[in-house]
Amino acid sequence: ETGVTQTPRHLVMGMTNKKSLKCEQHLGHNAMYWYKQSAKKPLELMFVYSLEERVENNSVPSRFSPECPNSSHLFLHLHTLQPEDSALYLCASSQEHRGRYNEQFFGPGTRLTVL
Amino acid sequence: AQSVSQHNHHVILSEAASLELGCNYSYGGTVNLFWYVQYPGQHLQLLLKYFSGDPLVKGIKGFEAEFIKSKFSFNLRKPSVQWSDTAEYFCAVYKAAGNKLTFGGGTRVLVKP
Repeated sequence: ETGVTQTPRHLVMGMTNKKSLKCEQHLGHNAMYWYKQSAKKPLELMFVYSLEERVENNSVPSRFSPECPNSSHLFLHLHTLQPEDSALYLCASSQEHRGRYNEQFFGPGTRLTVL
Repeated sequence: AQSVSQHNHHVILSEAASLELGCNYSYGGTVNLFWYVQYPGQHLQLLLKYFSGDPLVKGIKGFEAEFIKSKFSFNLRKPSVQWSDTAEYFCAVYKAAGNKLTFGGGTRVLVKP
C-alpha cells in the first residue's frame, strides 16, 4: 500500500452507534489531519496531530474523538452522532517542518451517513 | 479570521474552451497558495502551488495560476479544457502559525464533450 489509506470507505450508522474511522499513511510523515467535507461547505479542518500530539482542535463537538497512537495511524472515534454529521471525512498527512508548509497528501475519504 | 473565497460554485463549459476560476483570500501576512483538484471518485490532489518568486506558476495537466498580491487573488487558468478536466477544484491558503491549510468552498467544473 502506498500513500494514505482510509477504512471503511462507506459507513452508515444510527445516532446511538459507536464506530471508528481509520487512517493509515505509508509516506513516513510526522503530521496527520482530519477534515470534514460537507455538501455546499468548504473543507473544514477538524484535528491536527503533529509528532503524535494533538496541536489543533478546531471547535469540534466532543462526539468526535481523535486518536493518534503512532505517526502512521490516525483514528476518529464516533459516538451519538447527528444526521448533520453526515459527510465525507478526509484524512491527510504531511512532513511538517516548523513554520514551513509541506504538501498534504489526502486519503480517499470515508463517506459517512448518519440515520 | 482568514477566509478563502471561490467565486463560482459551478462552471459548465465545452471542450477546448478556456477556463478561469477565481480565488481570493483575506489573510494579510505571508501566505502559501495552492490549488487542489478532486476528480470524480478520486483523492484530493495537488494541482499547483505558490510559495515565492515568479507569481505565474505552472502546474500539472496544463494548468497555471497567477498570484496578484495587491488583489489578494490566486486565479486558476487553463487555455483549452478537456472532458477529463471535469472535477471539483479547491483553492487553499496556508499560514505558518498553527500549521493550518484553509480551503475555499470549491468549484465544480463540468466539461461537456
